[in-house]
Amino acid sequence: DAMVIQNPRYQVTQFGKPVTLSCSQTLNHNVMYWYQQKSSQAPKLLFHYYDKDFNNEADTPDNFQSRRPNTSFCFLDIRSPGLGDAAMYLCATSSDYRVNQPQHFGDGTRLSIL
Amino acid sequence: RKEVEQDPGPFNVPEGATVAFNCTYSNSASQSFFWYRQDCRKEPKLLMSVYSSGNEDGRFTAQLNRASQYISLLIRDSKLSDSATYLCVVNKRDSNYQLIWGAGTKLIIKP
Repeated sequence: DAMVIQNPRYQVTQFGKPVTLSCSQTLNHNVMYWYQQKSSQAPKLLFHYYDKDFNNEADTPDNFQSRRPNTSFCFLDIRSPGLGDAAMYLCATSSDYRVNQPQHFGDGTRLSIL
Repeated sequence: RKEVEQDPGPFNVPEGATVAFNCTYSNSASQSFFWYRQDCRKEPKLLMSVYSSGNEDGRFTAQLNRASQYISLLIRDSKLSDSATYLCVVNKRDSNYQLIWGAGTKLIIKP
C-alpha cells in the first residue's frame, strides 16, 4: 500500500502557467520534504516542513512555494514555471529529525514545460 | 570537493558476480548514512541504513569507515534485477534532517 502519494504522476504545463503538485502521506510523519531531481543528478532539496514549521533552502528559487495545511498533505506551487523547471519532483517524509531516520518517497511527479 | 562523491559508473557486471562501490563524504560530523536504490525514472527507495559496525541484509553488505570517511556497498551473487542507480546519502554536518545525496553509481547486470 502506497504510504506517500503524489499527484499527478505526470504534469504538463505551459511556460509561465502556474502549477501545483500535491503529496499526501498515511505515515503520520512530522517531516515532509520536496526535492527536485533532474536527469542523472542527485535529488536537490527545495524545502521541508517540521510539522507546520517551514524551512526554505537558501538556493531555492522564489518561484517555488509550498503549503502544508495539515499533517497529511503538502503542496508545491510553481508560480511561473520556466523551461529549467522541467524535472522530477519528489515528496518524501520522515518521522522526525533523529539520527538514522530514513526518508520515504512518493512515486514522484514528472513535470514537463511546453 | 563535493560533499558526497560517487563514481558515476556505469559498472557493467555479469550476473552472479560480486560488485562493490564506495562513496566518500566530506563532513566528519555526519552521523546518518544510507544507501538508496533508484530505478530509471522512478523514486529513490531505501536499500539500507549504514551502521558503524557494518550491516548485512541478504546479499547486500554495507560498511562505514569513519577514519577515511567513506561508506561502501557490496552486492554478492548479483541478479539482473539489481540493475539500478545506487545513491549514497549522508546527513549534513550539524543537521539530522538535511541529507546530502550523491549523484549515484549506475550498475548494469548483464546475463
